[in-house]
Amino acid sequence: KNEVEQSPQNLTAQEGEFITINCSYSVGISALHWLQQHPGGGIVSLFMLSSGKKKHGRLIATINIQEKHSSLHITASHPRDSAVYICAARVKTSYDKVIFGPGTSLSVIP
Amino acid sequence: GAGVSQSPSNKVTEKGKDVELRCDPISGHTALYWYRQRLGQGLEFLIYFQGNSAPDKSGLPSDRFSAERTGESVSTLTIQRTQQEDSAVYLCASSFFSKGAQHFGDGTRLSIL
Repeated sequence: KNEVEQSPQNLTAQEGEFITINCSYSVGISALHWLQQHPGGGIVSLFMLSSGKKKHGRLIATINIQEKHSSLHITASHPRDSAVYICAARVKTSYDKVIFGPGTSLSVIP
Repeated sequence: GAGVSQSPSNKVTEKGKDVELRCDPISGHTALYWYRQRLGQGLEFLIYFQGNSAPDKSGLPSDRFSAERTGESVSTLTIQRTQQEDSAVYLCASSFFSKGAQHFGDGTRLSIL
């Protein structure tokens, strides 16, 4: 069992739909990152969470530390949101090791 | 520029050769990370620097891999005696402090023939 898992693995949505991507982890963490990887390969850090909820534009990220679960929500999805979304757990040890989830590939169709 | 810069952007080399990949982090960022992404696979953590020290080298795949950082700035990742399985995109990221948001470079696409 991977230490960081994501669901779904692949997701196709119609433009305008509300999208949720889930991440669960089994390690103790100091923070959790959500990353976006564009088709060209570039990676952008979307959020870094250690508790609660953060919002940036149409993106919302939440984390439940007790349940070891985080969600990334996209409201009013748009084709330009098509990308791979990666959950990454910063392991709670002396060092800042990061364990990545396998990614969720999102396609938003016009 | 103001972002994380990696060079070269692409590198093709023959099996058995040594390669050196470079990362210029954002100025003032004390933490620097190296990751690898093989084709069609997820990201793998390789090594993390806090300043010029690497407290966690556990992600380096073998003793053919080494990394250093000088002046709390530039870092180089060296792969000796390259193998075909080393083919991947090597990504560098930096953050202002060790628990800060990471900023990623565009990566070096390494192909071993």
